[in-house]
Amino acid sequence: GENVEQHPSTLSVQEGDSAVIKCTYSDSASNYFPWYKQELGKRPQLIIDIRSNVGEKKDQRIAVTLNKTAKHFSLHITETQPEDSAVYFCAASTPRGATNKLIFGTGTLLAVQP
Amino acid sequence: DVKVTQSSRYLVKRTGEKVFLECVQDMDHENMFWYRQDPGLGLRLIYFSYDVKMKEKGDIPEGYSVSREKKERFSLILESASTNQTSMYLCASRSRSSSYNSPLHFGNGTRLTVT
Repeated sequence: GENVEQHPSTLSVQEGDSAVIKCTYSDSASNYFPWYKQELGKRPQLIIDIRSNVGEKKDQRIAVTLNKTAKHFSLHITETQPEDSAVYFCAASTPRGATNKLIFGTGTLLAVQP
Repeated sequence: DVKVTQSSRYLVKRTGEKVFLECVQDMDHENMFWYRQDPGLGLRLIYFSYDVKMKEKGDIPEGYSVSREKKERFSLILESASTNQTSMYLCASRSRSSSYNSPLHFGNGTRLTVT
């Protein structure tokens, strides 16, 4: 079945360093790849997404890259700040008839040390 | 701004009870979802609905059922609660898109404890 693997499960960086989270997906029909950030005690919120016809997308300090051949995509956060500390989830969406099924990775707990 | 409201933030129920988790969205979204979130397992899809009275099983539907009688409301039902259903439950909604996917909008979650 469809599967999304996410690594690492925890990541600790110093403030100002970069952080990279990687995901691989199994279904080659997947065509949409969002990333969600969940701060402690809050709901997951979309921070960036990429569609299968694009290789890279940037939004200020965050960027996402997609390699369709290898079926993997990554989140890059530059100049990390303490407020970036959260759990990050990747996801892959596959068309399934009347709707699209979104499969999530297991999450990465990012801790940014001041 | 999309608002997805889950009726309870915290619930404590006894084993064997029938439990209803309610979710309401105010953006006329066609698609609604129920996930459970457990440490180390991420977000796992229980059920989803792509229209009124329509439902499909997700990856872990056993022990759950759902109801979608109105477009704005999607209910998750635990027919006979068990301790392994202790978890955080997240409802989400999404607009149906003809060409590209649209993002999920999540509620604040219901933390259910079954004793």
